[in-house]
Amino acid sequence: NAGVTQTPKFQVLKTGQSMTLQCAQDMNHEYMSWYRQDPGMGLRLIHYSVGAGITDQGEVPNGYNVSRSTTEDFPLRLLSAAPSQTSVYFCAAYSGTLTGELFFGEGSRLTVL
Amino acid sequence: KQEVTQIPAALSVPEGENLVLNCSFTDSAIYNLQWFRQDPGKGLTSLLLIQSSQREQTSGRLNASLDKSSGRSTLYIAASQPGDSATYLCAHYNQGGKLIFGQGTELSVKP
Repeated sequence: NAGVTQTPKFQVLKTGQSMTLQCAQDMNHEYMSWYRQDPGMGLRLIHYSVGAGITDQGEVPNGYNVSRSTTEDFPLRLLSAAPSQTSVYFCAAYSGTLTGELFFGEGSRLTVL
Repeated sequence: KQEVTQIPAALSVPEGENLVLNCSFTDSAIYNLQWFRQDPGKGLTSLLLIQSSQREQTSGRLNASLDKSSGRSTLYIAASQPGDSATYLCAHYNQGGKLIFGQGTELSVKP
């Protein structure tokens, strides 16, 4: 039972490079989200999706793009990485029902030099 | 702006003590509220989920309550153990599907 799978777990980028953090879930959950976690800042919502083809911005969307072409996948794209994007990124999936529980991936630690 | 506040930010207790972690929120129209545990350098592990229509949930030594009218949730940990040392976060869903997190309480249980 994989749940939510994030790749890569670690990545080092140079300023200006682009990359995609992958997130896949096998629970058929409608809701998926991306968060970043920084010391002293807690978890902040970057983008979220309430279903395939639907995405919306969270608290800190600048510098990130997302798409949701399938229920299973919700990739997060950094088009031109900046040192301020050095963080730990978490993807989460949620059924969206009143009884739904949130499941997190194990995180992706990104360093931008 | 919808906010979630957790008090205290850090807590250190001796082993065996019962303790309460607090979570307050400004959005009265929340859906579920969930408590998580995070160990250093690790992801988040779900502890308890309280559905909107419920007032509390229990799992082993953990009990979480939800009072929507006052905008508060508490996590009660009985007979604390050193293995309980971690950061505890609460989060709730709003009607738009967003999950709003508190900043967490860092708990240290001393042997």
